[in-house]
Parts: sequence; structure tokens; C-alpha cells
Amino acid sequence: DQQVKQNSPSLSVQEGRISILNCDYTNSMFDYFLWYKKYPAEGPTFLISISSIKDKNEDGRFTVFLNKSAKHLSLHIVPSQPGDSAVYFCAASVSGAGSYQLTFGKGTKLSVIP
Amino acid sequence: GAVVSQHPSWVICKSGTSVKIECRSLDFQATTMFWYRQFPKQSLMLMATSNEGSKATYEQGVEKDKFLINHASLTLSTLTVTSAHPEDSSFYICSASRLAGNTDTQYFGPGTRLTVL
Repeated sequence: DQQVKQNSPSLSVQEGRISILNCDYTNSMFDYFLWYKKYPAEGPTFLISISSIKDKNEDGRFTVFLNKSAKHLSLHIVPSQPGDSAVYFCAASVSGAGSYQLTFGKGTKLSVIP
Repeated sequence: GAVVSQHPSWVICKSGTSVKIECRSLDFQATTMFWYRQFPKQSLMLMATSNEGSKATYEQGVEKDKFLINHASLTLSTLTVTSAHPEDSSFYICSASRLAGNTDTQYFGPGTRLTVL
């Protein structure tokens, strides 16, 4: 049973436009969410996170939105740049669980077309 | 800040040998470190959670006698793949937990590509 789902395995966006990556979760205990960016043969790079007490967090071109009632979060990248082409993983955790283990989605491959 | 290194970045070994991979948090202390494995075109699979000074907690299906984890200090965790076989060939990634206030973020190492001949 997949607790974190990224239903779009891939996404293509024109340079300069908005990229929207979606993530759904089923475990209502999750209260901290993160997005990671990953290039092939490299470790994931932390992008942005959001706590369940917020519904939006912004950092430069990256904004994460959280809809707790729908158990849905999304990552917006505006404007998209060719260097943003990578696989994006959504991850979730339960605070106070001690180990802060992350549960990852399967990733969405973003291709930004020049 | 929040830099995690892994060494080596890639290793090729013969079947039956053991390989040690090091994971270091360079600019912060990490009470908890994690070891992941990634298969081609798949997501990260958590192998084990490592807490400094205590035994690692392994995920179901991960052989603890095969994948030995030692977390000797707040900045170093090691994964030793014992008696490696070709099916152990994979991309191994570590992460270290950095606690800031009430939130915890994992920072990942660059990964180690293991090829067992």
C-alpha cells in the first residue's frame, strides 16, 4: 500500500512556464512534507518543505501548497528553467516518531523544454 | 550548510568480497542517519535507520547480517555490504537528519554506485 503517491511519472513544460508537480498521501498521521530534486546517479537535493500547520510555503521560484482535507500537496516552479529538468520526489513524515523516517513517492520526471 | 558526503562514489568489486561505504555529515551533527537503495527507474527504498551509539533498525526484507551498519559518531555512519553478490549491485544513498527547531530535514549524500562482478 503506497502511502505517498505521485501519479504522474513524467511532465513536460516549456521554459518560462509554470511546472506543477502533484503528490497525494493516504496516511493522516503525516504532518511534515518535503520535496527533493534528483539528478541521475546523484543523491536527492532538498528543495522545500511544509509543515501541516501551514498551507503554503514559498522559497524563490518554488512554492509548495498543502491541502490537508484533500491529503494533497503540490510543488509549483515558476518560471521553469531547463536546469530544473530532473526527477522530483515528494516525501512525508510523522513528527515525533523519533526517527523521522521519510516515505517517498515514486517521483515525477520533469523535462523543461527550451 | 547541511552537507553530507559519501565515500567512495563508485566501487567495483568481485563477488564474495565485502565493501564499506562511509557517510559523513560535514557541518552538522546527525543523531540519525538513513541508508537507502535505489534500483534503476525506481524510488528510494529505505534499508535501515541508524542512530548514533545504538543498533540500526532494519526494514522488512533487508538482511542485517549482509548489510552491516555502524553509527560510531554523530557525523559518521558506515554501511558494509558483506559477501557481495551481483544482485547487490545498486546505487546506495545515505542521508542525515538535521533537526532545526521542531522540524527535521534529511540531507542526502551524493550516493555510491556499487557494481559486483
